[in-house]
Amino acid sequence: GEDVEQSLFLSVREGDSSVINCTYTDSSSTYLYWYKQEPGAGLQLLTYIFSNMDMKQDQRLTVLLNKKDKHLSLRIADTQTGDSAIYFCAESFLSSGSARQLTFGSGTQLTVLP
Amino acid sequence: KAGVTQTPRYLIKTRGQQVTLSCSPISGHRSVSWYQQTPGQGLQFLFEYFSETQRNKGNFPGRFSGRQFSNSRSEMNVSTLELGDSALYLCASSLAEHSYNSPLHFGNGTRLTVT
Repeated sequence: GEDVEQSLFLSVREGDSSVINCTYTDSSSTYLYWYKQEPGAGLQLLTYIFSNMDMKQDQRLTVLLNKKDKHLSLRIADTQTGDSAIYFCAESFLSSGSARQLTFGSGTQLTVLP
Repeated sequence: KAGVTQTPRYLIKTRGQQVTLSCSPISGHRSVSWYQQTPGQGLQFLFEYFSETQRNKGNFPGRFSGRQFSNSRSEMNVSTLELGDSALYLCASSLAEHSYNSPLHFGNGTRLTVT
């Protein structure tokens, strides 16, 4: 079945770049997403990329997609303490008929050290 | 524009009871999806509604049900609560019927504790 894998933890120093990696399995995925979750809050959509793209940049965020290896990464430039949160990768896949749903990874806890 | 609103934020129930959670989507959004988040299972899809019709359902028992009203607001219901139903229930809305071409925007969730 569909599966999304992420490493569980990442620690970086304030001001450094963070790179969060994700692998997915569904070859029919058309969009891949990155969400951020802070303690006690819901999921905040950060960015998403269409599967025919290789890269998308949005201010401090850069998403790289390697469709051949089914690998997605999120790079956060100049990481700040406010970036400390759990980051979820998600893929959209065709589940039944014309209905689609998201499958999420287990999340990567990013800790930014001062 | 207001985001997705979920009520209540916190709920404590006892085993065997039932519960109803409410979700108001972003204005203009017609699709509402529900997800369950637990430490052990992560984020799991419950169901999706569009134009008052359930379009898709995840692998949950029949005790979990939902509905969508003509104003796109949605409710989910869990009957005969079990301890394992304790979780953060997240509602998300999107403009279009299919989440692949219209991203999901999530609310802050309802934290349900079953004792």
